[in-house]
Amino acid sequence: DIVMTQSPLSLPVTPGEPASISCRSSQSLLHSDGNTYLDWYLQKPGQPPQVLIYLGSNRASGVPDRFSGSGSGTDFTLKINRVEAEDVGVYYCMQALQTPLTFGGGTKVEIK
Amino acid sequence: QVQLVQSGAEVKKPGASVKVSCKASGYNLITYTMHWVRQAPGQRLEWMAWITAGNVNTKYSQKFQGRVSVTRDTSASTVYMELTSLTSEDTAVYYCARRPVAGTLFDYWGQGTLVTVSS
Repeated sequence: DIVMTQSPLSLPVTPGEPASISCRSSQSLLHSDGNTYLDWYLQKPGQPPQVLIYLGSNRASGVPDRFSGSGSGTDFTLKINRVEAEDVGVYYCMQALQTPLTFGGGTKVEIK
Repeated sequence: QVQLVQSGAEVKKPGASVKVSCKASGYNLITYTMHWVRQAPGQRLEWMAWITAGNVNTKYSQKFQGRVSVTRDTSASTVYMELTSLTSEDTAVYYCARRPVAGTLFDYWGQGTLVTVSS
């Protein structure tokens, strides 16, 4: 199985300031079709996850442009340009290159 | 609009089975794959299984092989996940989630079904 490792575990942020979350996979997520199968999800308390980024760097429909995804191979980053209060929750990266699909351990973003 | 509506919370005894349903509306069920993901208390999300679009085919996580079964009733626009031989470690919120055939993202999720296993 592909192991997904996120850091940090917890991220206190100040509204208006940038934030960054790292995700590393135990093997490359680059498929032979040229796509990199890495998603980012945000789970707010009591809700199912919601997609933010797919294929490493594509923002999902309706996701504010303050969210961006980057990286390649085994190292990926989710950046929030200017954090807003509504961005609190747990962020997960997930690989979809092969089954079983696997998730990172999550990064809890909270307001300072 | 697209909706995935799951069945209600369940309480089961160890050794029992549970069957969770996920009713899809707003799109044709057979044009997307459907996955099942669970989240035990305080744990990371865990992928369990998926059922393909079109011709029915399933794939299960090795961890749940032999205990999980995913089926689809196209006429009812509903996908089912059955988990057998339950233990306390199966206490979790179970989600269904839709993914395009191209496999790009989980764009819609069910609201989740809490399954509690307790004697």
